[in-house]
Amino acid sequence: NAGVMQNPRHLVRRRGQEARLRCSPMKGHSHVYWYRQLPEEGLKFMVYLQKENIIDESGMPKERFSAEFPKEGPSILRIQQVVRGDSAAYFCASSLRGEDTEAFFGQGTRLTVV
Amino acid sequence: GESVGLHLPTLSVQEGDNSIINCAYSNSASDYFIWYKQESGKGPQFIIDIRSNMDKRQGQRVTVLLNKTVKHLSLQIAATQPGDSAVYFCAENFNRDDKIIFGKGTRLHILP
Repeated sequence: NAGVMQNPRHLVRRRGQEARLRCSPMKGHSHVYWYRQLPEEGLKFMVYLQKENIIDESGMPKERFSAEFPKEGPSILRIQQVVRGDSAAYFCASSLRGEDTEAFFGQGTRLTVV
Repeated sequence: GESVGLHLPTLSVQEGDNSIINCAYSNSASDYFIWYKQESGKGPQFIIDIRSNMDKRQGQRVTVLLNKTVKHLSLQIAATQPGDSAVYFCAENFNRDDKIIFGKGTRLHILP
């Protein structure tokens, strides 16, 4: 059973470009979470999704950021018109619904905006 | 804002000794707590969890203690090994179907 897969592992974008980060949850997992981490800091919650539904986006900036988890395919975190301050590691986690909420994390995508 | 915080950002421990990493939380409604280990360049890795109806849980070489009276959580690592070097995060969950909130992290250094 493959773990949470994130790609790309490293992404370089120029200011003003778009960044698309993909997350394939573990098989059978219907919950996906996105977190952002700056160097030497903790993980900041961004958004929590279930299939075709955004449950909680309270940690997501109101502008330029969006996330989706379609019925088929990976979850996508999209950052439009990137700025240098968007440079960070973005982690995705997935979990089962119900009693078992242990979240498994991917290896992250390191976004660098130049 | 974040409701989970740690007392110390860095902890240095002699190899073979026991490590104790502490964490304070502020939301008395939190009912599920998790410890994660993050090695350099990797994603967080689940270590152990505990529900609010328990005060202690043991795993392999690790023990988590929960003191709800003072809203304090600790992770004890027995016989610390070089492979334990990492940043350790405590995290909380307000209900079983909600987001997980992370604290800032403690870096554990193992001294030879």
